Amino acid sequence: KQEVTQIPAALSVPEGENLVLNCSFTDSAIYNLQWFRQDPGKGLTSLLLIQSSQREQTSGRLNASLDKSSGRSTLYIAASQPGDSATYLCAVRIGTGANNLFFGTGTRLTVIP
Amino acid sequence: DTAVSQTPKYLVTQMGNDKSIKCEQNLGHDTMYWYKQDSKKFLKIMFSYNNKELIINETVPNRFSPKSPDKAHLNLHINSLELGDSAVYFCASSQGSREKLFFGSGTQLSVL
Repeated sequence: KQEVTQIPAALSVPEGENLVLNCSFTDSAIYNLQWFRQDPGKGLTSLLLIQSSQREQTSGRLNASLDKSSGRSTLYIAASQPGDSATYLCAVRIGTGANNLFFGTGTRLTVIP
Repeated sequence: DTAVSQTPKYLVTQMGNDKSIKCEQNLGHDTMYWYKQDSKKFLKIMFSYNNKELIINETVPNRFSPKSPDKAHLNLHINSLELGDSAVYFCASSQGSREKLFFGSGTQLSVL
């Protein structure tokens, strides 16, 4: 069974810093990996989706990388802003079907003005 | 023009009652889901449905049942509510089962 871990559980940084969020998974045979952000009291918003054949995806100040062999993905946020404060979750898909999508428990990011 | 909308946002009810949560998506997606997020923020899949196949997570009690009147709607019915059902329930949709998931804003269920 796939296990997805995100460390640290919480992170505080001053505004303007670049930061990296980590996601580890135990089974490297994945279809894709998706990063989400969740704001308090809100649903999840998809940020980036990396297919298993890709090594990275970029959107604005966000860059997600994927290293299947080591079972790791990172989400890099450049020039962090207070509006980036949220919980960031990664989800790993190992096959078709909803039961084959595994979520991490998230990293709660606080960007201090 | 909300992509995935679910109602109500908050639901407070007594143990033993039956309740429903509605979900609608206007993205034209063919697959819809229900997730449960517990107090530790862990997301657990409950159901997925793509108008051909309903996949049920075997750990979900049969008091929970999804109903899909059409491909844009997947409602969640819960019978005989229990205290342990208190959680946030999220509806989601995608085009196929391998593409990006789009989530609703959640329904916070509190069973007293």
